[in-house]
Amino acid sequence: EDQVTQSPEALRLQEGESSSLNCSYTVSGLRGLFWYRQDPGKGPEFLFTLYSAGEEKEKERLKATLTKKESFLHITAPKPEDSATYLCAVLDAGGTSYGKLTFGQGTILTVHP
Amino acid sequence: DGGITQSPKYLFRKEGQNVTLSCEQNLNHDAMYWYRQDPGQGLRLIYYSQIVNDFQKGDIAEGYSVSREKKESFPLTVTSAQKNPTAFYLCASSMGGHDGYTFGSGTRLTVV
Repeated sequence: EDQVTQSPEALRLQEGESSSLNCSYTVSGLRGLFWYRQDPGKGPEFLFTLYSAGEEKEKERLKATLTKKESFLHITAPKPEDSATYLCAVLDAGGTSYGKLTFGQGTILTVHP
Repeated sequence: DGGITQSPKYLFRKEGQNVTLSCEQNLNHDAMYWYRQDPGQGLRLIYYSQIVNDFQKGDIAEGYSVSREKKESFPLTVTSAQKNPTAFYLCASSMGGHDGYTFGSGTRLTVV
């Protein structure tokens, strides 16, 4: 059974204070690892997909990296508008092509001005 | 613009009542999904459908039912058998393969 664990559960940063969010996963074969951002009362918004160990992707102040066991979402010089819940999910290579995403419980990020 | 529309945004259910949540997409995606989100528990899969007229149970299907009569639509019915229905419900769709999901804006269901 696929498992995804995110840490920490909550993270409070001062504006400009860089940090990282962790996503540890267990799958039989990884088809893709996904990062989403979710604002309160809204649906998750897609950020990145990573497919293989060593891959990195960047978007503004966010950078996602992937190893064989975990992924990190690095936030450089965050701003208050980066405050949100960040969700990690994995797509297993087994089964049909319309795979089910397995989600972690999320990390609630709060950035104070 | 293409996307997924969920309605209503807020829904209130009385004890013993069935309610139906709407999900419509114009992305031409084959697969559609329903997730339930509770505080601190992440997203849990209720039902998913890979093709019209076919759907499969997810991890927490008890007390829920779905239909997939059209490619664009995947409504979720929360029945009176669901003992703890208060939650945030999210609908999603995908093209399959390596693609992730596109999510709707969610429906918050409250039992009164």
